[in-house]
Amino acid sequence: RKEVEQDPGPFNVPEGATVAFNCTYSNSASQSFFWYRQDCRKEPKLLMSVYSSGNEDGRFTAQLNRASQYISLLIRDSKLSDSATYLCVVNTVNYQLIWGAGTKLIIKP
Amino acid sequence: DAGVTQSPTHLIKTRGQQVTLRCSPKSGHDTVSWYQQALGQGPQFIFQYYEEEERQRGNFPDRFSGHQFPNYSSELNVNALLLGDSALYLCASSLRGPETQYFGPGTRLLVL
Repeated sequence: RKEVEQDPGPFNVPEGATVAFNCTYSNSASQSFFWYRQDCRKEPKLLMSVYSSGNEDGRFTAQLNRASQYISLLIRDSKLSDSATYLCVVNTVNYQLIWGAGTKLIIKP
Repeated sequence: DAGVTQSPTHLIKTRGQQVTLRCSPKSGHDTVSWYQQALGQGPQFIFQYYEEEERQRGNFPDRFSGHQFPNYSSELNVNALLLGDSALYLCASSLRGPETQYFGPGTRLLVL
């Protein structure tokens, strides 16, 4: 089993819809969690950190479920510019960030 | 405020050659991590440098080595290149650890 798993997609979603991704992790001692966004042939960019209480940034909401060992990302009122690959990242106790393979999102007009 | 910079942007090498990639961290950052990203995959952690020492290493062979300089910039060296080393090599900087990493644009390495 991979340490961090994501559905590779692609998720094809009409503009204005709501879409959600999950990411599962295997190490119960993982301490911090992030969502990054990566556009085609570009470097990953931090989208948001994921806090235990959940957090929201505009149209984006991230949740953490420690009991089931997954994090989620919800995008409301999706825009064409949201088309990208979304990478889930988990911080282990020994300074390593473990990355998922990413979920590809395509927003269609 | 300069972000993370990497050089070169693209590189073509042949099998068996050696390559050196360079990274300058974001201003104020002291930790540099290197990743390899194959097409369609997430970044794979190679190693992390802090205070000029390798603090942590991923599952990569000894052909992959690195260095961090007093000004926090870093180099990634790969010896005896294999076709499978073709990938995007990303450098990320952070302050004192792996939290909130900022990435450079990457170096695309093609091994023929």
